[in-house]
Amino acid sequence: SYELTQPPSVSVSPGQTATITCSGDKLGDKFACWYQQKPGQSPLVVIYQDSKRPSGISDRFSGSNSGNTATLTISGTQSLDEADYYCQAWDSSTPGVYVFGTGTKVTVL
Amino acid sequence: QLQLQESGPGLVKPPETLSLTCTVSGGSISSSSYYWGWIRQPPGKGLEWIGSMSYSGNTYYKLSLKSRVTISLDPSKNQFSLKVRSVTAADTAVYYCARGSTGDLDYWGQGTLVIVSS
Repeated sequence: SYELTQPPSVSVSPGQTATITCSGDKLGDKFACWYQQKPGQSPLVVIYQDSKRPSGISDRFSGSNSGNTATLTISGTQSLDEADYYCQAWDSSTPGVYVFGTGTKVTVL
Repeated sequence: QLQLQESGPGLVKPPETLSLTCTVSGGSISSSSYYWGWIRQPPGKGLEWIGSMSYSGNTYYKLSLKSRVTISLDPSKNQFSLKVRSVTAADTAVYYCARGSTGDLDYWGQGTLVIVSS
């Protein structure tokens, strides 16, 4: 089965840039998206189709996807960005399959 | 605004069947453009996609769960359901329903905790 690997944790100082990677075989050939999940809440899409931002999501969030790695970048990180982040891959050949990454805890120190 | 709401028993005994329903409001599950899916999250752990189904009947399940899981749609009630058979403690999790779009799951329910225990 397809697997996506993320670093367990990322620490960042307020105002700095946080970078979270998501690795999977030929991930760049698929769509990648990113979810933010705060304690007790449902996941929220912050990046979809590799680099698009849903309405209402801060432009501090950006994404890219190429080769075997998708990346979520949070610029000017704020305390409210502290959360778990999950990548997810989607392949048009299996349109009902949504594979999640292992998750990354972002801590704003 | 589309809303999804999970419902079902919060406690299930092993090895019975876990049954959950997701009620959709603000939109129709009869749209051919979307998949309707279930995701779970064991306490303190990550997200696990369980399976998805489209209105046209296309169904996908996570391979490791395929033998125990069934997803069905009830367009007359604008609901879809999940059944997990022969549950064990490992099936204890928060279960979410969600709408699957091109590339992502764009609308989620609030989640419901299901504990498997005798």
